[in-house]
Amino acid sequence: DAGVTQSPTHLIKTRGQQVTLRCSPKSGHDTVSWYQQALGQGPQFIFQYYEEEERQRGNFPDRFSGHQFPNYSSELNVNALLLGDSALYLCASSSEGAGNTIYFGEGSWLTVV
Amino acid sequence: ELKVEQNPLFLSMQEGKNYTIYCNYSTTSDRLYWYRQDPGKSLESLFVLLSNGAVKQEGRLMASLDTKARLSTLHITAAVHDLSATYFCAVKGMNRDDKIIFGKGTRLHILP
Repeated sequence: DAGVTQSPTHLIKTRGQQVTLRCSPKSGHDTVSWYQQALGQGPQFIFQYYEEEERQRGNFPDRFSGHQFPNYSSELNVNALLLGDSALYLCASSSEGAGNTIYFGEGSWLTVV
Repeated sequence: ELKVEQNPLFLSMQEGKNYTIYCNYSTTSDRLYWYRQDPGKSLESLFVLLSNGAVKQEGRLMASLDTKARLSTLHITAAVHDLSATYFCAVKGMNRDDKIIFGKGTRLHILP
């Protein structure tokens, strides 16, 4: 049973560019949340998707957008990249009907230069 | 707005000693999580605590929850070097759509 998978694992972008990160949740999970973790900090909640809709959103600008597909996989898009967007982006997978544990993927390391 | 505070933020301790990490949160919650993170790695789930008085143990780690005090503790017994990592608590509010908020983490360094 594959856990939460994310791609790419590492990427480098230039300021002003756009990036798309991808996540496949754990089998049986229907809810995907995205977090940004800057170096030395705790994860910050970006948004959560359930049934292909954004259910909750953290304090992130509109440059951060997402999508969930019918197979529950998800994408995080960030436009007009800033240096401060450099961070580890974590995808979390969960389901109300599949226990209380939230599983995290290995993350995507984004460096903006 | 839900706030989560951990202390200490950094802890250096000798092998064989006991210590406790504290997690305080500001509003009513029905779910509290503890995670471990090794450098450059993702988050590993340790415990999920759901009710007042809940206690869970795994090896040298034991977590407890006091919902009335809005406090969770992660107790380390007879620490070993392999437990060196950063430990996060995370809290979810009572409403179904409430976000999960993480603390800043406790960086634990266990000296051999």
